[in-house]
Amino acid sequence: SQQGEEDPQALSIQEGENATMNCSYKTSINNLQWYRQNSGRGLVHLILIRSNEREKHSGRLRVTLDTSKKSSSLLITASRAADTASYFCATLDTGRRALTFGSGTRLQVQP
Amino acid sequence: NAGVTQTPKFRVLKTGQSMTLLCAQDMNHEYMYWYRQDPGMGLRLIHYSVGEGTTAKGEVPDGYNVSRLKKQNFLLGLESAAPSQTSVYFCASSLHRGSNQPQHFGDGTRLSIL
Repeated sequence: SQQGEEDPQALSIQEGENATMNCSYKTSINNLQWYRQNSGRGLVHLILIRSNEREKHSGRLRVTLDTSKKSSSLLITASRAADTASYFCATLDTGRRALTFGSGTRLQVQP
Repeated sequence: NAGVTQTPKFRVLKTGQSMTLLCAQDMNHEYMYWYRQDPGMGLRLIHYSVGEGTTAKGEVPDGYNVSRLKKQNFLLGLESAAPSQTSVYFCASSLHRGSNQPQHFGDGTRLSIL
């Protein structure tokens, strides 16, 4: 079953704009992670936020976590064409040993 | 440092044939995972291993078997391939226990069952 559900499913923006993707989940979690997948490649880890954290930054990435609403958002600032990819959230549910992935957001950044 | 390597990269099988997908990691990771990814969907966990000699079922284990005889290798077997197993298969590994540890992925095996 899908734990994380991303919104929107697809997003198209111009280079230089910001991109925001949202993820909702259903159960109690230890952490939430965001991954990027370029076409034809495997997933690459971007950022991990623990359940007791509310916001985290890494370069042009900003992730927020609201455990009361069971939701997270990924913000990519000043987007570049190279940011074109699918983005997935994944949760490590309490008591489980493996991540559960959402269905992803396809981001297209137009040059 | 190759990270996670999957072989083969592509394969076409006929219904009923068997095959083994190989995953190798050179990062001394304890945990290894096999996922499948179908169009428009996220990754679904097939089986995983928390250490050498151990395996456990994931979300969609039916029709697959796995083995972890060596720490660096995790094999996924299809005993009798079915068209429903047409998918892209990803292997991943993480350092230890999985909690607060990112997963490192291979580039996938694209498998078609005719």
